[in-house]
Amino acid sequence: EPEVTQTPSHQVTQMGQEVILRCVPISNHLYFYWYRQILGQKVEFLVSFYNNEISEKSEIFDDQFSVERPDGSNFTLKIRSTKLEDSAMYFCASSSRDRDYEQYFGPGTRLTVT
Amino acid sequence: AQSVTQLGSHVSVSEGALVLLRCNYSSSVPPYLFWYVQYPNQGLQLLLKYTSAATLVKGINGFEAEFKKSETSFHLTKPSAHMSDAAEYFCAVNFGNEKLTFGTGTRLTIIP
Repeated sequence: EPEVTQTPSHQVTQMGQEVILRCVPISNHLYFYWYRQILGQKVEFLVSFYNNEISEKSEIFDDQFSVERPDGSNFTLKIRSTKLEDSAMYFCASSSRDRDYEQYFGPGTRLTVT
Repeated sequence: AQSVTQLGSHVSVSEGALVLLRCNYSSSVPPYLFWYVQYPNQGLQLLLKYTSAATLVKGINGFEAEFKKSETSFHLTKPSAHMSDAAEYFCAVNFGNEKLTFGTGTRLTIIP
């Protein structure tokens, strides 16, 4: 069964550094998402992406964040200058939208900012 | 305002007992409703979904949920808990836009 994959599984970075989290969505999906989950808290929506542009973003997704689909298969989330409070699990998801808004989630990348 | 509420951040049940995890929503439009399960150090796995077909939805691992419009609820149940059901369960709602809105989660503990 097709699945969403994410790399790396765990990333440790120093405050102020740039990080790029990578995702490979399911191949025939057209809608892509990033969510995050701070330890012990609920999953929060960050951004959705369709047709090579952001379709919706949350207030969390400020100018420090950006997304890109550089090559037709990968979907990346970049944090330009990480802060301690960016430490979280980041989930990528994708959807075909023809299955009742069902989103398929990747296993997540745990980002630790020190 | 559109919102999702999960009552009970922690639920403990004995092995073999009924599991009931509660989810209520507030919405001005017909929602799409989902339950996801998260095992320790893993991602989110879809248990089941409601998409305006049958109000009683059966999912994986013996779980089911019933959509009750009058009560704006989508509670998750399993007749007989198993040790392997210990996990965090999230109710999520799509209010017809781009994103899923998640509840705060319920940690299910199974007592041997």
